[in-house]
Parts: sequence; C-alpha cells; structure tokens
Amino acid sequence: KQEVTQIPAALSVPEGENLVLNCSFTDSAIYNLQWFRQDPGKGLTSLLLIQSSQREQTSGRLNASLDKSSGRSTLYIAASQPGDSATYLCAVDSGGSNYKLTFGKGTLLTVNP
Amino acid sequence: DGGITQSPKYLFRKEGQNVTLSCEQNLNHDAMYWYRQDPGQGLRLIYYSQIVNDFQKGDIAEGYSVSREKKESFPLTVTSAQKNPTAFYLCASSTGSGNTIYFGEGSWLTVV
Repeated sequence: KQEVTQIPAALSVPEGENLVLNCSFTDSAIYNLQWFRQDPGKGLTSLLLIQSSQREQTSGRLNASLDKSSGRSTLYIAASQPGDSATYLCAVDSGGSNYKLTFGKGTLLTVNP
Repeated sequence: DGGITQSPKYLFRKEGQNVTLSCEQNLNHDAMYWYRQDPGQGLRLIYYSQIVNDFQKGDIAEGYSVSREKKESFPLTVTSAQKNPTAFYLCASSTGSGNTIYFGEGSWLTVV
C-alpha cells in the first residue's frame, strides 16, 4: 500500500528566503506526482504535475523535482512571500488514473513579513 | 468562468438525517471524485465516477452514496449510517487520464 509522508509538518520562514518542502513515498511504481496548495478552509489548487518520466517541473518561483528510485520529491519555492503562506500537499498517482491518488498530510508554511 | 461549484459551503445535520452535497462542473471532464478531509489529515477518497451512469467506491464509502446522471453533476449523500460525518468534503474532476485534478472550494458538514 502506497504511503506518502511530508516533512516538516510546519515551517515558518522570513520573507525572501528560499525554501524546500519534502515529500516521500514508499512505492516507486508511480505514474505521476502532483503538488497542491490549500488555503485555510478552501479547496486545493494544483501547482505542478510531474510525470514519472520527468525529473522536474517549473512554474514561476516554484520548482518541483522527482526522484522515483529514492521515493522522493521536493518543492522548491524561491524568494518566498507572505502570500505563499498556505498548506502544501503532495499526491502520488500509483495507477495512471486520479482515483489512485494517495495524499500526504501536508506542510503548513508561514512566511513572515 | 470554468470550474467546480460546491454547495452549500456550510451545512449542519441533525443526528439520523441524510444530507446531500452538490457538486457541479463545467470543465467537460469525464471523471469526478469526492474526498473527505479531517483536520491534520490527508484527503481520503469516498467515491469516484469515470463516466456518466457509472461510479465506484473509494477507500471510505460506507455511509455515503452518490449518483452520476449527468456529466456535469456528481452529488454526494451523507446518510445516517455514517457514524462520524463531521468533516470538510471536497469534490474534484479531471479528464480521467492521470492528468491534473481540479478541486472545488469544499463544503463543511457539522453534525449537531
């Protein structure tokens, strides 16, 4: 059974810092991995999707990497801003269809002005 | 604008009552999903539907029911058989081929 772990559970940084969020998974036979952002009391917003054949994806100040063999993904946020404060979740697709998504519990990020 | 609309945002249910959460999407997606999120927990799949008139149980389907009579609609009924229904419920949709999944804004259900 696929298990997804996100470390740390919470992170507080000053504005302007570069930071890395971690996601690990137990079964390396994945189809893709997705990173999401969730604001308090809101739904999830997709940030990046990395297919199993890819090593990384970039969108603006965000860069996600994937190392299938070691069961790890990282989300790098450059020049953090207070507006980046949110919970970040990763989800692993083990079956090639979204009903096979396994979510981590998330990392709560606070960026202090 | 294209997206997923969930209603109501907040719902209170008395013990023994059934309640229905609405989910409508205008993204022309074939696949739709219902997730439950408890505080500090990851999302858990309740039901999913890959095509109209077909749906499958997820990991925690007991006490819930769904229907998929139209492509754009996937309502979730929380029955009185669900022992601990207080949670945040999220509806989602996708093209169903392992591509990006899109979420609604969620519905809060509280049992009083």
